[in-house]
Amino acid sequence: ILNVEQSPQSLHVQEGDSTNFTCSFPSSNFYALHWYRWETAKSPEALFVMTLNGDEKKKGRISATLNTKEGYSYLYIKGSQPEDSATYLCAYNYNQGGKLIFGQGTELSVKP
Amino acid sequence: DTEVTQTPKHLVMGMTNKKSLKCEQHMGHRAMYWYKQKAKKPPELMFVYSYEKLSINESVPSRFSPECPNSSLLNLHLHALQPEDSALYLCASSQDWASGLWEQYFGPGTRLTVT
Repeated sequence: ILNVEQSPQSLHVQEGDSTNFTCSFPSSNFYALHWYRWETAKSPEALFVMTLNGDEKKKGRISATLNTKEGYSYLYIKGSQPEDSATYLCAYNYNQGGKLIFGQGTELSVKP
Repeated sequence: DTEVTQTPKHLVMGMTNKKSLKCEQHMGHRAMYWYKQKAKKPPELMFVYSYEKLSINESVPSRFSPECPNSSLLNLHLHALQPEDSALYLCASSQDWASGLWEQYFGPGTRLTVT
């Protein structure tokens, strides 16, 4: 059974704080790692697709790193804003083909 | 237009009803997906269509019947559902399926309640 774990499950921060969370996946078989942001009552939105060990991606104040050898990815948010409040999902792909296995998500709440 | 639309937003149906969920995208994507999400759980893949052909069926019960009439449309036909099928049903699309490297664009989902 392929397991994707995200930690923490939830996070409450103040506006302006920087934060990070983790996605862990099986390191034995890796093809790609996706990050999505899901705001309440909206559609999940793709943030990054990462494939190479050591990959770093950035979009505005959000960045992600990937370590395929040890099976984890970090998502960082610099200077959190209330509009960053959402559930952040990672999804692991172990072979060519679009089957994504999702983690349970990290629910981020940013207080003004 | 980078939007995936789904109708209806909410659906309540009895166990003997037949209903359909609809999904549409106009991004020229050749892969379309159905996911099921129960409360506090991650989305789980149900079906993948690639170039209008069913490529993956994740052992979904036959009371769920997918259909891809053309490259822009995806339907999910529902018949004789059980209360445990109540969930959020998400549709997604991507440039293709085979490479596994394209991000998926999701619709807002249909909240289904089976009574």
